[in-house]
Amino acid sequence: KAGVTQTPRYLIKTRGQQVTLSCSPISGHRSVSWYQQTPGQGLQFLFEYFSETQRNKGNFPGRFSGRQFSNSRSEMNVSTLELGDSALYLCASSLAVTYEQYFGPGTRLTVT
Amino acid sequence: TQLLEQSPQFLSIQEGENLTVYCNSSSVFSSLQWYRQEPGEGPVLLVTVVTGGEVKKLKRLTFQFGDARKDSSLHITAAQPGDTGLYLCAGVRDQGGKLIFGQGTELSVKP
Repeated sequence: KAGVTQTPRYLIKTRGQQVTLSCSPISGHRSVSWYQQTPGQGLQFLFEYFSETQRNKGNFPGRFSGRQFSNSRSEMNVSTLELGDSALYLCASSLAVTYEQYFGPGTRLTVT
Repeated sequence: TQLLEQSPQFLSIQEGENLTVYCNSSSVFSSLQWYRQEPGEGPVLLVTVVTGGEVKKLKRLTFQFGDARKDSSLHITAAQPGDTGLYLCAGVRDQGGKLIFGQGTELSVKP
């Protein structure tokens, strides 16, 4: 089975811009979660989607949003980028009942 | 305040030594997972423990879930340089709830 894929792998944006990241889960996995990872804060949960519905949400401002499509692929969007949004953004898919996360390689976002 | 506290945060040891990483909480978890992350990659699931007191072994790695399901430990015997990485514990408190991660333990094993 192919693993979780994320595009793009690296991204450089300027403050105030917006960005869209994409994630394709493992075939058959209907749950997709997004995380932000930084050296200072560790791995922080952003949100989880299951069958196109947001099921859980972390403590992030409304600038962070996401969606899931009928084929389980997911996107997350960050608007009005700030320097503090520089991080590794990880997507993970799972069979919802187990919560076991299968992570993609991440998108490294740098905001200048 | 972290719901899951991992200790130590950093660990640097020589090849062949043993080590234990702890994951503690004041909350009860229905299950707990351990992941390892290498630089430039996403975390990889190592094990899931579900039952209080459960012990699981994965080659030189031994995972234990506390009797009260509030804590867990990871013990590595005869560490090797290939064990180097960030070790993360993660737990689920309620069915349908979100997965909560500890802040991680950065392990470096020197040859």
